[in-house]
Amino acid sequence: AQKITQTQPGMFVQEKEAVTLDCTYDTSDPSYGLFWYKQPSSGEMIFLIYQGSYDQQNATEGRYSLNFQKARKSANLVISASQLGDSAMYFCAMREDPGSSNTGKLIFGQGTTLQVKP
Amino acid sequence: GAGVSQTPSNKVTEKGKYVELRCDPISGHTALYWYRQSLGQGPEFLIYFQGTGAADDSGLPNDRFFAVRPEGSVSTLKIQRTERGDSAVYLCASSLKGQGPRQETQYFGPGTRLLVL
Repeated sequence: AQKITQTQPGMFVQEKEAVTLDCTYDTSDPSYGLFWYKQPSSGEMIFLIYQGSYDQQNATEGRYSLNFQKARKSANLVISASQLGDSAMYFCAMREDPGSSNTGKLIFGQGTTLQVKP
Repeated sequence: GAGVSQTPSNKVTEKGKYVELRCDPISGHTALYWYRQSLGQGPEFLIYFQGTGAADDSGLPNDRFFAVRPEGSVSTLKIQRTERGDSAVYLCASSLKGQGPRQETQYFGPGTRLLVL
């Protein structure tokens, strides 16, 4: 069965510094997608970044990058130059790639609370 | 363009009552998902619609939960005989389908916070 593990319940980072949020996953499917979402206190899940299992390069989106280590089954999120507005809950999620029999539903980890200190 | 919208944003009800939660997906998104998020947890899948049909309802916890999407756009999640354990945030997400893995990213609405007293 698919599983996502986020081992850091809470993290602190100083403003303007970089921070890494850990995510490991388990699946027997050779084709899958990995996602990171941000959930501020307002509650909305905001899509940040996507990594496909066959992508040769690590995904990057602005200040966000995904450190994808396929052999280790890890997909850590790196946030560079942290800002106060980055304080939120961050969720790692996995999806079996869409196909005729796959629904595309997401499996989420428990989340990591990030607090950025001024 | 407009994102996913959900109404109401908050719902307080009494145990045993019936509630309906509404989701309006991004225009053109044929796939619609419902998730439930308990306090301090990640969202958990409930049901998936492709067009008007429920293609996967394996996440619905029991037969008190039901969802419809009659015209392939707006969806309603219905909970009968609510219980205190149903209290959670109900999230709706929508995506494109058939456009490739990257394009099928799910975009979420703000959620409905349900409190059953």
